Amino acid sequence: EVQLVQSGAEVKKPGESLKISCEGSGYSFSGYWIGWVRQMPGKGLEWMGIIFPGDSDTRYSPSFQGQVTISADKSISTAYLQWSSLKASDTAMYYCVRRVFSSSWSYFDYWGQGTLVTVSS
Amino acid sequence: EIVLTQSPGTLSLSPGERATLSCRASQSVSISYLAWYQQKPGQAPRLLIYGASSRANGIPDKFSGSGSGTDFTLTISRLEPEDFAVYYCQQYGSSLYTFGQGTKLEIK
Repeated sequence: EVQLVQSGAEVKKPGESLKISCEGSGYSFSGYWIGWVRQMPGKGLEWMGIIFPGDSDTRYSPSFQGQVTISADKSISTAYLQWSSLKASDTAMYYCVRRVFSSSWSYFDYWGQGTLVTVSS
Repeated sequence: EIVLTQSPGTLSLSPGERATLSCRASQSVSISYLAWYQQKPGQAPRLLIYGASSRANGIPDKFSGSGSGTDFTLTISRLEPEDFAVYYCQQYGSSLYTFGQGTKLEIK
């Protein structure tokens, strides 16, 4: 069974750093792109970026380029999303997703349970 | 960047009725790269439709997708209580993914 299990909720202060994780299981982690999606409170879904764990090829949405860093460690089947200096506006639920991509399809077939990040002084 | 606009913002219907949700793109989208997701309160989104009209694993045939170019539709026949949720369309193009703002399907 394919699963994406994310790290637990975080409460941080503005200016602090943070790294959240997403562990994949039940499939070949290195062979599928992993993405991150933000959902601010009461709002819609925003794609942040994706990484291919096999070679760490990473792509960012222009809206998030320079604001976050996406990485992965294929040896432990885990992807990461990190911030160097959090802002209150980073308060949101963050989902990791498994991306299916070919010349025929592109979609997110599995979603993690979400990690709630709260940034408040 | 392709912008997806979903309508209506909120759709109020009764169980047993048929729901028609619209997703309009600011420029042409490949049908291969158009997907629909369902999100219930407190849950992660779930893939319903990919390739504009193909149902994901385990999705009942009351969910159907159609459309091409800039206009896409998600249809839910015979609404049941568990279908009331928020629905998002998504596209992939020019190495970017974008989502629509969502349609909330609520019980009338």
